[in-house]
Amino acid sequence: GAVVSQHPSRVICKSGTSVKIECRSLDFQATTMFWYRQFPKQSLMLMATSNEGSKATYEQGVEKDKFLINHASLTLSTLTVTSAHPEDSSFYICSASLTENEQFFGPGTRLTVL
Amino acid sequence: QKEVEQNSGPLSVPEGAIASLNCTYSDRGSQSFFWYRQYSGKSPELIMFIYSNGDKEDGRFTAQLNKASQYVSLLIRDSQPSDSATYLCAPGRTSYGKLTFGQGTILTVHP
Repeated sequence: GAVVSQHPSRVICKSGTSVKIECRSLDFQATTMFWYRQFPKQSLMLMATSNEGSKATYEQGVEKDKFLINHASLTLSTLTVTSAHPEDSSFYICSASLTENEQFFGPGTRLTVL
Repeated sequence: QKEVEQNSGPLSVPEGAIASLNCTYSDRGSQSFFWYRQYSGKSPELIMFIYSNGDKEDGRFTAQLNKASQYVSLLIRDSQPSDSATYLCAPGRTSYGKLTFGQGTILTVHP
């Protein structure tokens, strides 16, 4: 089956620092990747859609200057949380589209900002 | 009105019983419907998808779709304790692959 990896799986950082999260599709090429955020006991909220070679499309209310997305290749998308603050602490999950409709999720990255 | 509504539960069923999970959606443009299972602290995993009205069976799982009523359900037969998880319903539009998730239904299967 389709495998999506994320790195790191867990990160703890100080307030004001930037954190980069990588999302890779390991056995397929993904023209589209998605970034989600999930707070405790809540559902997944789509943050942005990342397309290879073009600018990401952000959902309403998501600050594009704070959450920088780069989709440099068909197998790699990165999310950088700039100047992270405690309220950015969350579970960040990426997904990659194998077909137009099948999305497979990475294992997630748990970010804790102190 | 929320885009996707699910009963948050928790839904508790005994082992071996049928668990029935329901979902309604508001976007009539939705063409594909996905059910994901999420264990605590883990990311979602795809268990089923359905495009056409009617039933689709895969092992112990049956998805039912009624586009006219904007309703999709998931039945789990012979429920096992390992089925205990949060089940997320996600309608999508074929042209973008973008999914909107419901809040999820917590299912507990007790021995």
